Amino acid sequence: DGGITQSPKYLFRKEGQNVTLSCEQNLNHDAMYWYRQDPGQGLRLIYYSQIVNDFQKGDIAEGYSVSREKKESFPLTVTSAQKNPTAFYLCASTDRGKQPQHFGDGTRLSIL
Amino acid sequence: GNSVTQMEGPVTLSEEAFLTINCTYTATGYPSLFWYVQYPGEGLQLLLKATKADDKGSNKGFEATYRKETTSFHLEKGSVQVSDSAVYFCALSDANAGKSTFGDGTTLTVKP
Repeated sequence: DGGITQSPKYLFRKEGQNVTLSCEQNLNHDAMYWYRQDPGQGLRLIYYSQIVNDFQKGDIAEGYSVSREKKESFPLTVTSAQKNPTAFYLCASTDRGKQPQHFGDGTRLSIL
Repeated sequence: GNSVTQMEGPVTLSEEAFLTINCTYTATGYPSLFWYVQYPGEGLQLLLKATKADDKGSNKGFEATYRKETTSFHLEKGSVQVSDSAVYFCALSDANAGKSTFGDGTTLTVKP
């Protein structure tokens, strides 16, 4: 079955460390998105990419970086510059930017 | 810019009660409207959608009608079940932007 796979499901970061969250899709979708979800809050867009080798900042891009070297992969790096990284991170994709979005099951990031 | 405002939660109902979750939006042009559902520890799943004014989306007993005159897309279900307990997100998509705007989510708890 096609879908989006996020890994790991749980991730712990030490102070000053960069960590990378994986997102892979086999839906042949062109566009991919990263969101951050905090308890009791909605989704905030971090970065999105509508085509390979191109991506745009979302509403809260500071302290994060992405790459889009392959159509099926859109990894997110949470850098040490992100001072409050504890959150639930969701990856999504769409076909040619059309909605609705298909979501992965998320990665929960915590600070040690 | 685009925005989505949802009824604040949490909402607690008894089984078989009637459910309404209000959603209003602000957007330029003619957006598509969506309701997503998120179960604990999972990503979002599309529940229903409507792409033009007066369209009614429906799925699993849930319904919502795209009301352009009131810029609303309220979610309703005639008889809720314990298994409907989840967080519900209203969202809109702007075809030109290739991305979605989400509400803050409404937590529904259904008690037996």
